[in-house]
Amino acid sequence: EVALVQSGADVKKPGESLKISCKASGYSFTVFWIGWVRQMPGKGLEWIGIINPVDSETRYNPSFQGQVTMSVDKSINTAYLQWNSLKASDTAIYYCERHAGGDGDDYWGQGTLVSVS
Amino acid sequence: EIFLTQSPATLSLSPGERATLSCRASQSLNTDLAWYRQKPGQAPRLLIYGAYYRAIGIPARFSGSGSGTDFTLTISSLEPDDSAVYYCQQRHNWPPITFGQGTRLEIK
Repeated sequence: EVALVQSGADVKKPGESLKISCKASGYSFTVFWIGWVRQMPGKGLEWIGIINPVDSETRYNPSFQGQVTMSVDKSINTAYLQWNSLKASDTAIYYCERHAGGDGDDYWGQGTLVSVS
Repeated sequence: EIFLTQSPATLSLSPGERATLSCRASQSLNTDLAWYRQKPGQAPRLLIYGAYYRAIGIPARFSGSGSGTDFTLTISSLEPDDSAVYYCQQRHNWPPITFGQGTRLEIK
């Protein structure tokens, strides 16, 4: 069974760094790109970008370029999203998802709540 | 960047009724549009991809239609469990992939 399991909620102060994770199982990790989506409190979905687990090639939403960094460790089937210096406006739920090309984002993680205050 | 406008913003219907949700794109998408449902406190779930293909496990009462700039998600015979926010998403011209602002469906 395909599953994406994300790391737990985190509370940070402005200026701190953070790296959240998304561990995939139940399929061949290198076949599908992994994407990240942000949902700010009470708001809609925003696409951050996707990363290719084969070679770590990335495609960022220009709005998020330079604000976050996506990475993967294919030896442990895990994707990461990290911040070097968090801001209060980074407070949100972050979802990872399996990017199935034209077939949609077919599997999602449970979400990681990041609170910055 | 392609913008998606969903209507209505909120829809309130009774069980057994039909729901019609619309998504309009700022430029042609061909059929590169997906629909997702998000229940409170849950991650989004893929319903429809390629404008009209149902995702695995999605019942036949969910159907998608449209091409170009105008798309529709129809839910026939609503059930109480269908209360959620529904989002459309374009995958035609990216980055960035973009979402509509969502339609909140309330089952009375």
